[in-house]
Amino acid sequence: QFQLEQSGAELRKPGASVKVSCKTSGYTFTNHGITWVRQAPGQGLEWMGWISGYNGNTRYAEKFQGRVTMTTDTSTSTAYMELRSLTSDDTAVYFCARRPDSKYGVVSSLGYWGQGTLVTVSS
Amino acid sequence: DIVMTQSPDSLAVSLGEGATINCKSSQSILYTPNNKNHLAWYQQKPGQPPKLLIDWASTRESGVPDRFSGSGSGTDFTLAISSLQAEDVAVYYCQQYYDTPLTFGGGTKVEIK
Repeated sequence: QFQLEQSGAELRKPGASVKVSCKTSGYTFTNHGITWVRQAPGQGLEWMGWISGYNGNTRYAEKFQGRVTMTTDTSTSTAYMELRSLTSDDTAVYFCARRPDSKYGVVSSLGYWGQGTLVTVSS
Repeated sequence: DIVMTQSPDSLAVSLGEGATINCKSSQSILYTPNNKNHLAWYQQKPGQPPKLLIDWASTRESGVPDRFSGSGSGTDFTLAISSLQAEDVAVYYCQQYYDTPLTFGGGTKVEIK
């Protein structure tokens, strides 16, 4: 079965950066992309962007352009999401996710999810 | 960006009764080349990631009970739960995947009356 295992909770001060990992297994990493979604406490879901597992191409939400970098390590089938210049508004659970089918592409539903990583930004 | 608007924000339903959640997109998400609505429904329980229930507006994912059904086309969509069970208490989200940025509705919290 497909699995997405995320790194543990993080505490950062305002202005700092955080890098969350998403280690995948059970499928060929380079055949799919990874989507990142975040959820602030008690709030809804927000799409941050997508990265191709094949060639590292990215598509970021305009809101995060210039502040987020998504990368992959194909040798370990792991995706990373780094967010910089953190503020308290970035306190959220960050999820990685994958489309449910065998196709490739950024526009899709999300059938497989990591467990989420809580990032807390506080002085 | 395509704005997804869900209603109601919350609803309380007696066990065994039906529940209906609405989702409206700011533009049509019916993709003409494949004649499919690019709309998904998710269920999220506290402390868990969202779970995909329905794809393409009306296709139930494997293992999803048949009391969950999706309908609608174009800009107006509905998730129906035919006979609410205790385990259905959750927040439900719709999501469009017609274009980026992928966008979600604000969520509907379903509780037991």
